Amino acid sequence: GAVVSQHPSWVICKSGTSVKIECRSLDFQATTMFWYRQFPKQSLMLMATSNEGSKATYEQGVEKDKFLINHASLTLSTLTVTSAHPEDSSFYICSARPSGGGYNEQFFGPGTRLTVL
Amino acid sequence: DAKTTQPNSMESNEEEPVHLPCNHSTISGTDYIHWYRQLPSQGPEYVIHGLTSNVNNRMASLAIAEDRKSSTLILHRATLRDAAVYYCILGSYIPTFGRGTSLIVHP
Repeated sequence: GAVVSQHPSWVICKSGTSVKIECRSLDFQATTMFWYRQFPKQSLMLMATSNEGSKATYEQGVEKDKFLINHASLTLSTLTVTSAHPEDSSFYICSARPSGGGYNEQFFGPGTRLTVL
Repeated sequence: DAKTTQPNSMESNEEEPVHLPCNHSTISGTDYIHWYRQLPSQGPEYVIHGLTSNVNNRMASLAIAEDRKSSTLILHRATLRDAAVYYCILGSYIPTFGRGTSLIVHP
């Protein structure tokens, strides 16, 4: 089946630093990737939709200057959390939609646990 | 976007069948019904999807009501490894997750 990887799987950083999370589709091309955030005991919250070669579309309430998304190729999207603060600590999950997928399927990465001290 | 409604939690005993319901009364004619599950500290895992007809795969079965306003995910024999949060989502362009159903499996 289709595999999506995320790197790193977990990261601890100091407040004020920036952290980059990579999302890769390993065996398929993905025109569209999604980034989600999940706080403890809550559901996945969509942050942004990323289309290859164009600017990401952010959900209401998500700061685009704080969460920078780059989708420069059909197999890689990156999320950079700039000037991270403790309230940004969360589980970040990406998903990828295969190019030409027939029924809006998507495949999820394993998630990245971010802890900001 | 069409919404789904699921019970917050359900419990089952190991080796017994589990029926997880999902209501989606505002589903559109072209929306696929997807089920994912999420184990603790992991990304969601695809379980099954369908459009109109019932579907079976090695993990589960999906029973879709004739009017498509509801569906049921069936785990034929629950195991402890099936304990997870199960999400029913509709195949719109922008997928959104509800709270899902937390399945507790008792040994």
